Parts: sequence; structure tokens; C-alpha cells
Amino acid sequence: DSGVTQTPKHLITATGQRVTLRCSPRSGDLSVYWYQQSLDQGLQFLIQYYNGEERAKGNILERFSAQQFPDLHSELNLSSLELGDSALYFCASSVFGTDSGNTIYFGEGSWLTVV
Amino acid sequence: EDKVVQSPLSLVVHEGDTVTLNCSYEVTNFRSLLWYKQEKKAPTFLFMLTSSGIEKKSGRLSSILDKKELFSILNITATQTGDSAVYLCAVLPEGSNYQLIWGAGTKLIIKP
Repeated sequence: DSGVTQTPKHLITATGQRVTLRCSPRSGDLSVYWYQQSLDQGLQFLIQYYNGEERAKGNILERFSAQQFPDLHSELNLSSLELGDSALYFCASSVFGTDSGNTIYFGEGSWLTVV
Repeated sequence: EDKVVQSPLSLVVHEGDTVTLNCSYEVTNFRSLLWYKQEKKAPTFLFMLTSSGIEKKSGRLSSILDKKELFSILNITATQTGDSAVYLCAVLPEGSNYQLIWGAGTKLIIKP
């Protein structure tokens, strides 16, 4: 158990809909990262937050957005869903600013299936 | 452009064999290299390497970094079926705000 909690574990939704994925980082971690992993694809970095502020953006579509709240939990919002958005979405966290912060720890992921 | 290349892409061996997975990288201002194991779901952390030539070891797994030749290897001895997974390598450049650059992974299958 990495200490990173993601909900829901699985969800199935129709095209055009919107979903919210939630993540609680490890206790003490200030940075949260979101990744997308499609079947047979590598990890695609989406976005990073540090202490409530957006820190870096990767290959995140405009239909997707995220935020990190004062209690450090984060949400990834996916809207106008398309079949191609079906993937495993990981949240990861790390301590920022210390040597140990080089290691990021992953949650179990949220399986999204768009039908 | 920074990149991480892992080889082979996939590998099938028999239980008891020893395997070596490779990770080469091209990044500006290298800081550290990390190995993860991904089974069904979340990648789990294995090793972090920052210094060249120092082996990290955990049970049957070991890894070493060569900063001159820009690569790392992950060795697994006496493989077991539970070692079957995708092994991911990632590199952290300096000053990157902790943006890891990921390799595509090596899919390892251990046959009984």
C-alpha cells in the first residue's frame, strides 16, 4: 500500500459525459501528479500540482482539468468524454523540496471505460 | 529532446533464469534514475540511483547506474513467476519540478 488513495476504482460512463476522479496523497506529500495509461501505452504525464498550485502541465487535453484543494487532495475532471479516453488514470504524490521527494508513489489507479 | 529508452520491449524466460533489463537515457542535467515494477495496476517503487557505479540491491533484484555511458541495468536472478510484470525506468532531470521522463517499459514474462 503506497498510501496514495484513489476513488473510484472503476467506472463506466457514456460518451459525452463528465466524470471526476479523486486522489488523496500520502500524508505529508505536497505534490500530486496525474497520469494516463491506455492499453499497451506507457505512462502519459497529464498535470502536477504543488501545495494547491499548478506546477507543470503535460499532455492534458483541454477537456480535462484538475485542481488541488487546501487539504491537498486532488481531483481530475474529464468532460465530453470520448471512447479514446478509456484508460487507467493514476494519481501519484511526492514530498517536494527534499531528497526523498525524488521518489513518487502511485495510487492503485482509476479504471475509466467510456462506452 | 530528453528521452528514456528501455530494452528489450518484452522478454520471456523460464523460472530460475537471470534477466537483465536495460535503460538508456539522454537528458540535460541528470539528477536521478528510478525503477518501478508494474503488475496489474499501480507501479511500485524499486530503486532510485543517483551515483554512478554503486549497486542498489533488494533480494534477488539489483540495479546499477553508469553516468558516463548514460544507462542503467536492472538484474533479476533466480526469477519467479511473481516477477512477471512491466518494469519501468524513469529519469529525473535537475530543475524539472519533479517531472519524470518515462521509458516505455519492458514486459517480462516468467514461464514456470
